[in-house]
Amino acid sequence: QKEVEQNSGPLSVPEGAIASLNCTYSDRGSQSFFWYRQYSGKSPELIMFIYSNGDKEDGRFTAQLNKASQYVSLLIRDSQPSDSATYLCAIGNTGGFKTIFGAGTRLFVKA
Amino acid sequence: NAGVMQNPRHLVRRRGQEARLRCSPMKGHSHVYWYRQLPEEGLKFMVYLQKENIIDESGMPKERFSAEFPKEGPSILRIQQVVRGDSAAYFCASSEDRVSEAFFGQGTRLTVV
Repeated sequence: QKEVEQNSGPLSVPEGAIASLNCTYSDRGSQSFFWYRQYSGKSPELIMFIYSNGDKEDGRFTAQLNKASQYVSLLIRDSQPSDSATYLCAIGNTGGFKTIFGAGTRLFVKA
Repeated sequence: NAGVMQNPRHLVRRRGQEARLRCSPMKGHSHVYWYRQLPEEGLKFMVYLQKENIIDESGMPKERFSAEFPKEGPSILRIQQVVRGDSAAYFCASSEDRVSEAFFGQGTRLTVV
């Protein structure tokens, strides 16, 4: 089992819809959870982080964490074509020494 | 407060040459991570360093690759005797500690010809 798993996509949604991106992880000791956005040919950019179970909202973005199910998700409301990118889930923990990234999910928002 | 600075942005090397990639972390950050990204693939962890120490190098190939983060100066990722398969984007990230968010540099795109 991979440490961090994401569907590679592509996930295609129409403009204005909700995009739902999912991530599962294997290490129950994980304590910090991040979502990065990466445009083609660019470096990853942090867009959300969450440490506690539940939801965290920031503008059009909502991160959801369920530690019991080892599941973290990112919802993007009112999707825009400019949201088209690869979204990387990243997991950190104090037991290990590195932040582990998933392979990323490609999102296409159709105008 | 400057972000994570990587140089060069683009590097072309012939097979058999050495490649040296530099990374200066954000001010106040003492944790540095190196990742490799092959075309159309995700980020692969290579090595995690703190000042003067390699903490985790489990993602580093056993041969030709080395990394350092000296007390003064940038972190260096060194690839000796490069081969075509080393062509990739190499990203450096820094953070305040092991669990805080990591911020990425713009990457060095290495092309081996």
